[in-house]
Amino acid sequence: ETGVTQTPRHLVMGMTNKKSLKCEQHLGHNAMYWYKQSAKKPLELMFVYSLEERVENNSVPSRFSPECPNSSHLFLHLHTLQPEDSALYLCASSQDLWDLEYFGPGTRLLVL
Amino acid sequence: DAKTTQPTSMDCAEGRAANLPCNHSTISGNEYVYWYRQIHSQGPQYIIHGLKNNETNEMASLIITEDRKSSTLILPHATLRDTAVYYCIVRSLDTGTASKLTFGTGTRLQVTL
Repeated sequence: ETGVTQTPRHLVMGMTNKKSLKCEQHLGHNAMYWYKQSAKKPLELMFVYSLEERVENNSVPSRFSPECPNSSHLFLHLHTLQPEDSALYLCASSQDLWDLEYFGPGTRLLVL
Repeated sequence: DAKTTQPTSMDCAEGRAANLPCNHSTISGNEYVYWYRQIHSQGPQYIIHGLKNNETNEMASLIITEDRKSSTLILPHATLRDTAVYYCIVRSLDTGTASKLTFGTGTRLQVTL
């Protein structure tokens, strides 16, 4: 599956580190999404972008900072995370806002 | 809140049909039924969706009851690679946040030899 790619696939970071997750979609879509999936919990929608503008922010702590420089790229900047932030972070895209979503493979994040 | 109820887990022998049920008794007229699956440590993969008619594609068939209160995803010849968590999601046709995907806990399908 090369439609939506995410890097890195695995990341280990300390609580004082700053890191960024990258998502790229090759589908010509206009909307992109960040989800969080913690162990044994359903996927949680974090952020939504449509045409590079943020349209939804679901009460996510400020230590997570999204960035959408263009319709093909989406970043999630991480700083001063907590161990409970360890999870699988998934990116998705859709043709237009709330259309059928295609997911990337995810980044498995471990915060020590 | 998820609007669907699914069994927590199911087993299926390889080569047999896997029938995954989903209850969505509060579904409204403008809501579709979507199915995704998630293989371990990968992103969810779209399978199929429908409104009221039965649907079939290269991956699966979706059977929706006439009253639309339940549906069944059918994998006609399950293989070991079909082992995954299967999510049944009810999704509005309206624009706006009512249309967003709301994942529940899904059904863990284990395909065995």
